[in-house]
Amino acid sequence: DAKTTQPPSMDCAEGRAANLPCNHSTISGNEYVYWYRQIHSQGPQYIIHGLKNNETNEMASLIITEDRKSSTLILPHATLRDTAVYYCIVKNNNAGNMLTFGGGTRLMVKP
Amino acid sequence: DGGITQSPKYLFRKEGQNVTLSCEQNLNHDAMYWYRQDPGQGLRLIYYSQIVNDFQKGDIAEGYSVSREKKESFPLTVTSAQKNPTAFYLCASSIVTGREQYFGPGTRLTVT
Repeated sequence: DAKTTQPPSMDCAEGRAANLPCNHSTISGNEYVYWYRQIHSQGPQYIIHGLKNNETNEMASLIITEDRKSSTLILPHATLRDTAVYYCIVKNNNAGNMLTFGGGTRLMVKP
Repeated sequence: DGGITQSPKYLFRKEGQNVTLSCEQNLNHDAMYWYRQDPGQGLRLIYYSQIVNDFQKGDIAEGYSVSREKKESFPLTVTSAQKNPTAFYLCASSIVTGREQYFGPGTRLTVT
């Protein structure tokens, strides 16, 4: 069973905020929400992660609902270079617990 | 400038030959990983290493081998036993296993 559900694709206008949703209704108490992205033909790039509080860094903001069953990654001012596949991953931080990349959301930023 | 390097970016080999893919990191990370990605698919874990001189099989280790003689290096050998070696290979590292991983640019291997 997939641990996360994401829409397969989304469009966003350049300069606008991109809001990428992720459902993780079976998340456990010690599992974090991680976001990565992969630009075509490049290695994945770590974006942000959080447990239950909202998080912000220089790349994005992560909003996690109070029940932790869903989250939203926000790119505040999307640029053409943000066009990529975005992966939402739920996992704990125990040693040996690996990343599992599913289908992700293909974000297309349009001029 | 810290990061992970993989070389070469593109690699071509004939069927039946072993080939070694390079991965180097200067992030002082203990853990390193190798993934394989096929077109339109997610990543699949081949091998990982939590510390020098230790490594563990991932989900698809058959036909691959690794070594971890130095903290900063984790080369992957694709052997002739790997039935479908053509793929995009990604190396990653993290402070320790379980934490966020940082990826290299990848090596695209084509075997004909």
